[in-house]
Amino acid sequence: KAGVTQTPRYLIKTRGQQVTLSCSPISGHRSVSWYQQTPGQGLQFLFEYFSETQRNKGNFPGRFSGRQFSNSRSEMNVSTLELGDSALYLCASSEGHASSYNEQFFGPGTRLTVL
Amino acid sequence: DQQVKQNSPSLSVQEGRISILNCDYTNSMFDYFLWYKKYPAEGPTFLISISSIKDKNEDGRFTVFLNKSAKHLSLHIVPSQPGDSAVYFCAAAGSQGNLIFGKGTKLSVKP
Repeated sequence: KAGVTQTPRYLIKTRGQQVTLSCSPISGHRSVSWYQQTPGQGLQFLFEYFSETQRNKGNFPGRFSGRQFSNSRSEMNVSTLELGDSALYLCASSEGHASSYNEQFFGPGTRLTVL
Repeated sequence: DQQVKQNSPSLSVQEGRISILNCDYTNSMFDYFLWYKKYPAEGPTFLISISSIKDKNEDGRFTVFLNKSAKHLSLHIVPSQPGDSAVYFCAAAGSQGNLIFGKGTKLSVKP
């Protein structure tokens, strides 16, 4: 099976712009979770989508949003970009709900740089 | 407020010796813990996990120990190999299933 893929791999934006990142889960996986990795904060949970519904949300402002399509592909959108949004954005997929019992498989990430 | 803490940002070990990576947590309700390994330009990959009902789980060269009273877990790698050089993240599974990660420890195994 192909792994989790994320596009684009690298992105440069300026403050105030918006950005959309894409994640294609492993075939058959219905859950997609998004994480932000920064040097100072490590990996932080953004949200999880399961069957096109947001199931869980981390502690991020409303500028961060997402959605999931019927084929389980997911997009994450960040509006009004700030310098502090520069980070590696990772998505992870699992067969069932993200839980202790369903291993999450990570994609390689999208490196976003905000200038 | 960091619920999962990895207090050592880096660790350097000689090839063949033991690597011990430590992790502390604050929430006694966590019932499942995981270790992930991350190479540059790749996403984290699952390494080993442990349920809170156990105090040890072993998989080849990797062993995870859990001390619930101290809210502490550790990952032991024996013997360490240069290919083990990576960033290691400790994670706890939250009540909703999302993973709560530590900030990571960069392990360097020197030949």
